[in-house]
Amino acid sequence: GESVGLHLPTLSVQEGDNSIINCAYSNSASDYFIWYKQESGKGPQFIIDIRSNMDKRQGQRVTVLLNKTVKHLSLQIAATQPGDSAVYFCAEDTGTASKLTFGTGTRLQVTL
Amino acid sequence: KAGVTQTPRYLIKTRGQQVTLSCSPISGHRSVSWYQQTPGQGLQFLFEYFSETQRNKGNFPGRFSGRQFSNSRSEMNVSTLELGDSALYLCASRIANTGELFFGEGSRLTVL
Repeated sequence: GESVGLHLPTLSVQEGDNSIINCAYSNSASDYFIWYKQESGKGPQFIIDIRSNMDKRQGQRVTVLLNKTVKHLSLQIAATQPGDSAVYFCAEDTGTASKLTFGTGTRLQVTL
Repeated sequence: KAGVTQTPRYLIKTRGQQVTLSCSPISGHRSVSWYQQTPGQGLQFLFEYFSETQRNKGNFPGRFSGRQFSNSRSEMNVSTLELGDSALYLCASRIANTGELFFGEGSRLTVL
């Protein structure tokens, strides 16, 4: 199950550096946002989520920032590792996340 | 704990045929969603089932249908296959209305 294909924006970072992946969302009514990671041959894997009543949320090595004014979401990965190489998707929804709208994805390449 | 299981993983069909894909959610998860992933359109929501009822539906033609059984297992069916139906079909489950979706590895459908 390859993830979204050939013409994804690509972010290349060196191992140990911090990565920032950006996402612009479209629906001003969206109040729930999720970041997913998809490795080659696998389904998307939940990383972190945030609701619209927050502007920042931290997990283990990851931070999500939400700017509702400009409808922008970012995912920061600290001390990027080779295992972080994957395609990253943001997703948005209103309410219960019953019907997620996914972004087009960003491919993260970690160089040694 | 077993993850979301999708069968078959790969299949090839010809135009005009129909196909049925199966999804077994994580034990205890009552919500099952289906997504289509293609290089051109990315990840798109098909439908969600909860307690055997379709709770939400995406913008796909009526050729795409699904159902959920009393044990929460779900199937989706695509009739009168078209070349454009070639995609990775992903199933995801969650407990109820919590946001985290757990995805399976997908069923890769090729239509010739």
